[in-house]
Amino acid sequence: GAGVSQSPSNKVTEKGKDVELRCDPISGHTALYWYRQSLGQGLEFLIYFQGNSAPDKSGLPSDRFSAERTGGSVSTLTIQRTQQEDSAVYLCASSLVQGIKFFGPGTRLTVL
Amino acid sequence: EDKVVQSPLSLVVHEGDTVTLNCSYEVTNFRSLLWYKQEKKAPTFLFMLTSSGIEKKSGRLSSILDKKELFSILNITATQTGDSAIYLCAVSPHYGQNFVFGPGTRLSVLP
Repeated sequence: GAGVSQSPSNKVTEKGKDVELRCDPISGHTALYWYRQSLGQGLEFLIYFQGNSAPDKSGLPSDRFSAERTGGSVSTLTIQRTQQEDSAVYLCASSLVQGIKFFGPGTRLTVL
Repeated sequence: EDKVVQSPLSLVVHEGDTVTLNCSYEVTNFRSLLWYKQEKKAPTFLFMLTSSGIEKKSGRLSSILDKKELFSILNITATQTGDSAIYLCAVSPHYGQNFVFGPGTRLSVLP
């Protein structure tokens, strides 16, 4: 596609529920990144996929968070048993290796 | 530990003012530094800098990198209310590795 797309744009869920956030990167981009940004905070790295290499999961805050990237394209970020502190904007970005990152519009997650 | 520091964290100016935003970094194997503008949710790319002393310019915005002193500045001249945003600095420390983002500078331009 023309840019990185994410869905849903907004998600409101209840504490304890699982959520799935989707990212469609720019076609041909081999690298895909997930970040989150809590209110008034900077970007927090979550996970990084590069081609067929094992993902860099060093930023995932707990084992409730997981992500996969199917077929080297679409990625899904899953948060299990959501907590109120998970409320944030979740941003996906893609790039060519060494290239400029292009960000998606983000998903605003609110956990009640 | 790789680190990116931005200053000021917050800045309020009036339309027409010129602002300078600062980004300093401590990373291993520096490759490039990027500036992004974040207005709502998604950051949009502004500049990518890899060489010292070469100014990148786009309209009223310009940026330069000093690899000896490990910093970059982003200048905005004749600011407009539409420049109000968070300006993020990010550094790439290793080939193919994740960028390290700074906390951002929140710029507010008042009419």
